[in-house]
Amino acid sequence: QVQLVESGGGVVQPGNSLTLSCAASGFTFSSHPMHWVRQAPGKGLEWVAILWYDGGNKYYADSVKGRFTVSRDNSKNTLFLQMNSLRAEDTAVYFCARDARTGSTWSAVFDYWGQGTLVTVSS
Amino acid sequence: DIQMTQSPSSLSASVGDRVTITCRASQSIDTYLNWFQQRPGKAPKLLIYAASSLQSGVPSRFSGSGSGTDFILTIGSLQPEDFATYYCQQSYTTPFTFGQGTKLEI
Repeated sequence: QVQLVESGGGVVQPGNSLTLSCAASGFTFSSHPMHWVRQAPGKGLEWVAILWYDGGNKYYADSVKGRFTVSRDNSKNTLFLQMNSLRAEDTAVYFCARDARTGSTWSAVFDYWGQGTLVTVSS
Repeated sequence: DIQMTQSPSSLSASVGDRVTITCRASQSIDTYLNWFQQRPGKAPKLLIYAASSLQSGVPSRFSGSGSGTDFILTIGSLQPEDFATYYCQQSYTTPFTFGQGTKLEI
């Protein structure tokens, strides 16, 4: 069965960095674009980034552009989110999500999600 | 960015009721509209994609309709496990924006 397991969350001071991981299993990871979506405490969902199946293309929300970098290691079935220059408003549960489509296009239909990892930015 | 607006923001209903949730896009998104259910402390779950296609494993009491800018999620007969928050999301273009959510309460 499809499983996505995020890790790497924690408490970090403003201005510092953190890297999240998402370990995938139960499907051909290297065939699917992948996404990061976040949810601030008590708030709604915010899409953060998409990465093509081969890592060739990526797009970011304006709120994180220039500070966050999404990458993947298809040999290890793992998606990453490197977060730099963290701000208080980045505090959220970060979910990785699978794009339902395979190949060199996206659908932005998030058919499987991980359980999320909490990032708290606070001094 | 495409803005997604859901109504109502919250809704009180009873087991067995039929409920509808509306989602409006700030510009036409054809049928690039998805619906999610989120229970407290859990990840969102895909219910409907492409406006009206039922995701595998989702009960048939859930249905979606609409195209262009106006969309509806209908729950045919509420079950206890349906009390949750529902989100619409456009998959037409980046950034892939969500509605603010509709909390369905007893």
